[in-house]
Amino acid sequence: DVQMTQSPSSLSASVGDSVTITCQASQDISTYLNWYQQKPGKAPQILIYDASNLETGVPSRFSGSGSGTHFTLTISNLQPEDIATYSCQQYDNLPSWTFGQGTKVEIK
Amino acid sequence: EVQLVQSGPEVKKPGESLKISCKGSGYNFDTYWIGWVRQMPGKGLEWMGVIFPGDSDARYSPSFQGQVIISVDKSISVVYLQWSSLKASDTARYYCARRSRWGYLGYWGQGTLVTVSS
Repeated sequence: DVQMTQSPSSLSASVGDSVTITCQASQDISTYLNWYQQKPGKAPQILIYDASNLETGVPSRFSGSGSGTHFTLTISNLQPEDIATYSCQQYDNLPSWTFGQGTKVEIK
Repeated sequence: EVQLVQSGPEVKKPGESLKISCKGSGYNFDTYWIGWVRQMPGKGLEWMGVIFPGDSDARYSPSFQGQVIISVDKSISVVYLQWSSLKASDTARYYCARRSRWGYLGYWGQGTLVTVSS
């Protein structure tokens, strides 16, 4: 199975900062990588699909990059409403999709 | 409007059986994979398995194979997740989610909280 290692597990940044979250796959998954945002008490929502494609309606301060085994999610100009947990998910091989452990983003 | 509506919270005892549901509406139910995701208290998301309602093809994450059964009743547009003998470690919120044509989980149910306690 493909394992996803996500880091950091949590981070604290100021409004307006740029933050980066990383996911490392245990094997080459091309660009079969999605990013989700989960706010407290809510279901996850898709942010980025296929490593770098912004879902409709998601603010442009969110961006994704990477291919193969190394992927990043960047939030530019961090806003208070971005407080959430962010998780990567690989979908290279149905049904063994896997999620990263999640990164909790807080505001300083 | 695409919607996935899940059944309500459950409180069960260890050893009991349980079947929770996820009803899809607003789209052609037969043609999209629907998956289940577990989230234990304070923890991350775990992929459990997926089913294609059109032909009931169910596939499981190795971690959940043999632990749960995913089934569908396409006549009423409902996908199920069931356990035959619950354990305390099954306490979690369970989400259903619809896989998009591009592979991501684009629509999610509201989640079903399952509490297993003696």
